[in-house]
Amino acid sequence: AQSVTQLDSHVSVSEGTPVLLRCNYSSSYSPSLFWYVQHPNKGLQLLLKYTSAATLVKGINGFEAEFKKSETSFHLTKPSAHMSDAAEYFCVVSDGTGGFKTIFGAGTRLFVKA
Amino acid sequence: EAGVTQFPSHSVIEKGQTVTLRCDPISGHDNLYWYRRVMGKEIKFLLHFVKESKQDESGMPNNRFLAERTGGTYSTLKVQPAELEDSGVYFCASSQILPGAHYSYNEQFFGPGTRLTVL
Repeated sequence: AQSVTQLDSHVSVSEGTPVLLRCNYSSSYSPSLFWYVQHPNKGLQLLLKYTSAATLVKGINGFEAEFKKSETSFHLTKPSAHMSDAAEYFCVVSDGTGGFKTIFGAGTRLFVKA
Repeated sequence: EAGVTQFPSHSVIEKGQTVTLRCDPISGHDNLYWYRRVMGKEIKFLLHFVKESKQDESGMPNNRFLAERTGGTYSTLKVQPAELEDSGVYFCASSQILPGAHYSYNEQFFGPGTRLTVL
C-alpha cells in the first residue's frame, strides 16, 4: 500500500535562507513522486517529478528534490528562499500499478519572513 | 492556452440540497480527475475519467456523489443530497495520454478548486 508522510505541517524560514520540506513515502512498487505547490486561490502547480530517471530532480523556481530509495525519502530543497515561495507544498506518490492510485501528503505550509 | 477551469469558485448550500460542480479540462486532455480536500485533511482522490469512461471511481465517498463526463469534454460532479461532511474544496485536474507512458507518470494540471460549504 502507498502512503506519504510530510514530516512538518508548517515551516518558517527567513528570506535568503535555505528551504527544506521533508517527505517520506511508502510504496510496494517503483513509485513516481511529485511535488506540487499551491498559492492562495490558485490551483496546484507541479514543481518537479521523479519517474525513475536521475535521482536528483530539478524543478521550477530553483527547487530541487533528491530521491533516496534507501531512506524512502523525497525531500524538497531550495538554496535561498524568496518571499514569493510562501505557499502550501504537497508531496505526492503514484506507483503506476493497475488502476490509478495517487496519494497526497497532508501538505506543508511554508512561511517566509522578511 | 487556457488552464483547467472550475465553476463555481464557491458554493454555500443547506443540508439536503443539491449542488453540481463543473470542471473544464485543458483542451485535448483525455484524463480528468476529481479530488477533494476536507478541512484539515489530505487531498483525496475521488475518481478518474479517460475520455467519457470512468477508469477508477474507488475514491467516491458514497452514492450521493455522481460524476459524469458526457462527450469526453467537461465533467460535472453532483452531490445529492448534500450533507455537512461534504464541505471542503473540490479540485479537478487533467492530463494528456502520452504514448508509451503510464498515465500516473504524467503531470496533472489542476484547477483552482470549488469551495463547497454545507450548512
